[in-house]
Amino acid sequence: GNSVTQMEGPVTLSEEAFLTINCTYTATGYPSLFWYVQYPGEGLQLLLKATKADDKGSNKGFEATYRKETTSFHLEKGSVQVSDSAVYFCVKAAGNKLTFGGGTRVLVKP
Amino acid sequence: EAQVTQNPRYLITVTGKKLTVTCSQNMNHEYMSWYRQDPGLGLRQIYYSMNVEVTDKGDVPEGYKVSRKEKRNFPLILESPSPNQTSLYFCASSSPRGRIYEQYFGPGTRLTVT
Repeated sequence: GNSVTQMEGPVTLSEEAFLTINCTYTATGYPSLFWYVQYPGEGLQLLLKATKADDKGSNKGFEATYRKETTSFHLEKGSVQVSDSAVYFCVKAAGNKLTFGGGTRVLVKP
Repeated sequence: EAQVTQNPRYLITVTGKKLTVTCSQNMNHEYMSWYRQDPGLGLRQIYYSMNVEVTDKGDVPEGYKVSRKEKRNFPLILESPSPNQTSLYFCASSSPRGRIYEQYFGPGTRLTVT
């Protein structure tokens, strides 16, 4: 297979809550993995990346670890803010091709 | 400012009326790509281009055309739009030197075909 599966949203949280968005992938080789974020009304932006097994990507308080044994790349943040409200996409890259998950909408309430 | 621009941002049209969505980047990137975003489906790649005069199909190329005559521009052409092409379209670019995944996205074009 050649897919990326992430949890469906929306995910609604209170400020300072812990956020986890699950992501699993199928791949025949060893893809690079990413999380992109889409803020309201904007295009996607690269949030973090991990290019090999056991790498941990981090940015803006978000983290994700490349787990080859479970083919997962879950996104976590310890204390979310209202400004983290966005749609998050798990993405894998192999060769010239990006494959996107369906996106998870996160809404953080004050 | 480094950016990817798309025009128009919003477009409502009728079935069968040819349209073009323009995309331009000012970062001298070799790689450019078009995606469509539909609820629950994430982004799906329509076409991509590795460089001038080099284009290739993505996952959902049917009903679309592209051209890459200049490095900075990568227009998306719908010769005969249909309602199932109603979607949010994104153009993206990157410099491939092993880093195609670091794509810079435009702001999107919301297309409605009636």
